[in-house]
Amino acid sequence: GESVGLHLPTLSVQEGDNSIINCAYSNSASDYFIWYKQESGKGPQFIIDIRSNMDKRQGQRVTVLLNKTVKHLSLQIAATQPGDSAVYFCAENKDTGRRALTFGSGTRLQVQP
Amino acid sequence: GAVVSQHPSWVICKSGTSVKIECRSLDFQATTMFWYRQFPKQSLMLMATSNEGSKATYEQGVEKDKFLINHASLTLSTLTVTSAHPEDSSFYICSARKAGGVNTEAFFGQGTRLTVV
Repeated sequence: GESVGLHLPTLSVQEGDNSIINCAYSNSASDYFIWYKQESGKGPQFIIDIRSNMDKRQGQRVTVLLNKTVKHLSLQIAATQPGDSAVYFCAENKDTGRRALTFGSGTRLQVQP
Repeated sequence: GAVVSQHPSWVICKSGTSVKIECRSLDFQATTMFWYRQFPKQSLMLMATSNEGSKATYEQGVEKDKFLINHASLTLSTLTVTSAHPEDSSFYICSARKAGGVNTEAFFGQGTRLTVV
């Protein structure tokens, strides 16, 4: 299997602060990336995506940055809220022919009130 | 956004029995669906790609006779865990991408928690 993690790193932030979650992806040929949010016992929920011909994309309270040189992806959440507490995964489209996404190991975000 | 529905949300079964999990795309057609498995505190691992009208493609290390996949229509894929054992206990998640696009978001079901006792 791929992207198996033994544990989830945790990021703790205070409510109202900005959060930055990082992800290193594996394939320099990947052309599409998505950030997902997963709450306990639920399936992943789409947050924001970015194509490889871009280096930044903004949504509502979220920004994704892509650095292809170092194969790095980040998710910035502005004014973090308690409802943002979840596990966040980056996913990459490694093989356009198969169209299956490959997930990173994930980061748990804990928002302290 | 599009909706992908999984059923059941959770299931408990006895060791040696088989369990079927359904994945439906409710408002779009999906020629391809994907089945993932997730252990506690770990990421999603792709198990197989389900292709409508043809055989599924399994990832290395996933037993195709153990995890039977059927994609009989453009809106339904099923995963059957055969002769389940406690080590098969996990969270199973399906996803689908709309037909015709490559770089489009994948929609996920709510997952199925399987516990084998």
